[in-house]
Amino acid sequence: QQQVKQSPQSLIVQKGGISIINCAYENTAFDYFPWYQQFPGKGPALLIAIRPDVSEKKEGRFTISFNKSAKQFSLHIMDSQPGDSATYFCAASRETSGSRLTFGEGTQLTVNP
Amino acid sequence: NAGVTQTPKFRVLKTGQSMTLLCAQDMNHEYMYWYRQDPGMGLRLIHYSVGEGTTAKGEVPDGYNVSRLKKQNFLLGLESAAPSQTSVYFCASRGHNNSPLHFGNGTGLTVT
Repeated sequence: QQQVKQSPQSLIVQKGGISIINCAYENTAFDYFPWYQQFPGKGPALLIAIRPDVSEKKEGRFTISFNKSAKQFSLHIMDSQPGDSATYFCAASRETSGSRLTFGEGTQLTVNP
Repeated sequence: NAGVTQTPKFRVLKTGQSMTLLCAQDMNHEYMYWYRQDPGMGLRLIHYSVGEGTTAKGEVPDGYNVSRLKKQNFLLGLESAAPSQTSVYFCASRGHNNSPLHFGNGTGLTVT
């Protein structure tokens, strides 16, 4: 049972374009929504995270948009660069869950030069 | 700091063989996790630990066992490997609830 659904599975964007990855969750008790970035041969690393008390969080070229009523959140990468080519995972957890993150299926992003 | 270190990096097993994957962290983290990563399925939690001497089941625990005898180490065991356990295994740790997960670089396991 997948509690966090992510789309698209793969995404190809031209350099300078906007990359958008979407996630939807089921459990309304989730209160922490991070995005992880993974390069080939490496483990995932935290990119940016949001809590449901805000609707948007921006760090450099990366922005999370959060829609609590729709139970959806998305990652926007502005001015996408070839170095952004990686696999991106959304995730969600509850503060009191014993600290277990539930991950989405992942999106393989390719940014063409 | 080494962070999270996984050994071995790669392994090939025959069906029915056993092995142990070792995870070590040097950040004095309380929580440790074992995930498996399969194409199109994301990262699925196998087992986790909220402190030394504790373990708990995740989403896909069947066929695996774990132990956390020391705070810095988290071992994942496969008693009788099956081809369905072919995957990339990631260990992760975190200091407290909703702090960033720190991942190792993974162990690629093939079961023939």
